[in-house]
Amino acid sequence: DQQVKQNSPSLSVQEGRISILNCDYTNSMFDYFLWYKKYPAEGPTFLISISSIKDKNEDGRFTVFLNKSAKHLSLHIVPSQPGDSAVYFCAASFTGNQFYFGTGTSLTVIP
Amino acid sequence: DTGVSQDPRHKITKRGQNVTFRCDPISEHNRLYWYRQTLGQGPEFLTYFQNEAQLEKSRLLSDRFSAERPKGSFSTLEIQRTEQGDSAMYLCASSQTGVNQPQHFGDGTRLSIL
Repeated sequence: DQQVKQNSPSLSVQEGRISILNCDYTNSMFDYFLWYKKYPAEGPTFLISISSIKDKNEDGRFTVFLNKSAKHLSLHIVPSQPGDSAVYFCAASFTGNQFYFGTGTSLTVIP
Repeated sequence: DTGVSQDPRHKITKRGQNVTFRCDPISEHNRLYWYRQTLGQGPEFLTYFQNEAQLEKSRLLSDRFSAERPKGSFSTLEIQRTEQGDSAMYLCASSQTGVNQPQHFGDGTRLSIL
């Protein structure tokens, strides 16, 4: 029972353009959402988060948008850089303890 | 390095053997989590500790799995009588206590069952 879904396994973007990664969830009780970035042979690295009381959170080149009515969140990376090439996981929680992860989207930024 | 540390990075063992993994969290973090990740999937929650108390366990954590955090610092995850299906990456994470705290992950222990 996948409560957090990332329907795009991969995405390719030209350097300097915007990368948009999408995530959908089914559990309306989720109230905290995060994005993690993962390089091969490393653990996931925390990138940015948003609580359900907000609809947008920004940190440098990274912005997360939350649409609660659609149960959808997205991560925007502007401008995209080759070093952003990695697997991106979205995660959600309603207890603050157990995080539910999506299956990941592999982003390739083409120089 | 003040991040989450896991040991060993890789473990290869024969089916039926017992294995133990260690996790050292970020020093000021009271919460510690174990996840399992298989190919093509995201991390799946196994269990979590608040200090030395194990507060939540997933149904994925069968009776062959046991986790401890005896002094509220490092934690161990033991798998007894390993099976082929136990082959996975085992990830440890830690976080501060409080609402909406991100979890910070180690680089994991990759377990391969022969």
